Amino acid sequence: GDSVTQMEGPVTLSEEAFLTINCTYTATGYPSLFWYVQYPGEGLQLLLKATKADDKGSNKGFEATYRKETTSFHLEKGSVQVSDSAVYFCALSLYSSASKIIFGSGTRLSIRP
Amino acid sequence: ETGVTQTPRHLVMGMTNKKSLKCEQHLGHNAMYWYKQSAKKPLELMFVYSLEERVENNSVPSRFSPECPNSSHLFLHLHTLQPEDSALYLCASSLRGRLKEAFFGQGTRLTVV
Repeated sequence: GDSVTQMEGPVTLSEEAFLTINCTYTATGYPSLFWYVQYPGEGLQLLLKATKADDKGSNKGFEATYRKETTSFHLEKGSVQVSDSAVYFCALSLYSSASKIIFGSGTRLSIRP
Repeated sequence: ETGVTQTPRHLVMGMTNKKSLKCEQHLGHNAMYWYKQSAKKPLELMFVYSLEERVENNSVPSRFSPECPNSSHLFLHLHTLQPEDSALYLCASSLRGRLKEAFFGQGTRLTVV
C-alpha cells in the first residue's frame, strides 16, 4: 500500500549545523510530496511541497527535491537555528475518488544553542 | 492561524460520557479529514470527507462517529471511549486533488479517564 518512511528521531544538532532528514515513499500513483512542521502545542503547518519529479520545494531555508528514481524527498537546511526545533513530517498526497494524505511517523528535531 | 479552527482545545471525559469535537474552516475547501496523533505513533488518518460524503474510514471503532453537515464543518462524536483513545485529534481541510496541501487546526487534546 501507499506509505511514507522517514528517519527516526530524535535528531539533536548544534546551532548552525547542517540538517538532513531522510524520507522515502511508496505510492501506487503519482503523488505530490510535502514536508510539514509541528511546533509544541500546535497543529501541523505546511513547510514546503513538490508536485512533480525533479521539483524542488523551499521555504525558510529548508529545501527538498522530488526524486522519482529513488522515491525520496529528503529535507535539508544548511544552517539550523534553535527556533527550528520541532517535529517534522514527510507526507504524500494521492487523488483517486478523493484526496488522501499519508504521513510519515515524524522526526523530532532539537537544536542546541 | 491556518484558517481551520478546532474546539475545544482540551477535553477530559469519562468512559461513559458522550462528547463531540468540532472543526470549522472557511477556506473554501471541499475535503476534510480527522487524524489521530498518539505519542510515539505515526499520525493516523481516521476519516476523509470529500464534498460532504465520507470516502475513507480506516477501520476506526464505532465509538468514533464523524459527521459533515456541510463543507465548512466537521464533527467527531465520541461515546464510551477507552483510555487508549486519549490522544491529540487533528482536523484538516484541503481542496480535492493530489496537488493540494492540507491545512490543519491546532487539535483537541483528549484525555479519557
